[in-house]
Amino acid sequence: KAGVTQTPRYLIKTRGQQVTLSCSPISGHRSVSWYQQTPGQGLQFLFEYFSETQRNKGNFPGRFSGRQFSNSRSEMNVSTLELGDSALYLCASSLRRPSDNGELFFGEGSRLTVL
Amino acid sequence: GENVEQHPSTLSVQEGDSAVIKCTYSDSASNYFPWYKQELGKRPQLIIDIRSNVGEKKDQRIAVTLNKTAKHFSLHITETQPEDSAVYFCAARGGRVVMRFGAGTRLTVKP
Repeated sequence: KAGVTQTPRYLIKTRGQQVTLSCSPISGHRSVSWYQQTPGQGLQFLFEYFSETQRNKGNFPGRFSGRQFSNSRSEMNVSTLELGDSALYLCASSLRRPSDNGELFFGEGSRLTVL
Repeated sequence: GENVEQHPSTLSVQEGDSAVIKCTYSDSASNYFPWYKQELGKRPQLIIDIRSNVGEKKDQRIAVTLNKTAKHFSLHITETQPEDSAVYFCAARGGRVVMRFGAGTRLTVKP
């Protein structure tokens, strides 16, 4: 069974641009969550989706948005990029609905560098 | 919201020694406490988890303990090996609380 796939793996953008990251969950998983990972800050929760509905959102500005499609694939978008948005963005899928606390299966991440 | 504190941030042990990583959480509604291991350049992977209806759980050389009264939980690794070297993250969630991760502990096991 294929794991969680994230694209692109690496990307470089300049301040003010926008970026879209994609995540394909493990087949059969309907829960997808996104995290921002920066050195020393651990994993900061961004969003959580289940059955195309955003179930929770973290403390990030409105420039960060996301969605989930009917096939459970998810995208996140960051508009008006700032230098501080440089990070590894991790997507995770789960077989269970968010409230059931299932194991998270992470992708390898998309490393975003903002210049 | 939930806040998870993790200590220490770095930990260095000799091969064969034990390692202990501690986390505290703030939201009493939290009832699920997983631990993830992230090797250098790789994705985080679940190594063990515990739910609030138990106080301790073991899996070979790894154990997790939970004290709900004090709102803290710990990861114990015995007979450490060089392949245990990684960053370990604790996390907490429950009810309407989203998954919150600690800042991570970089464990180095010296041969």
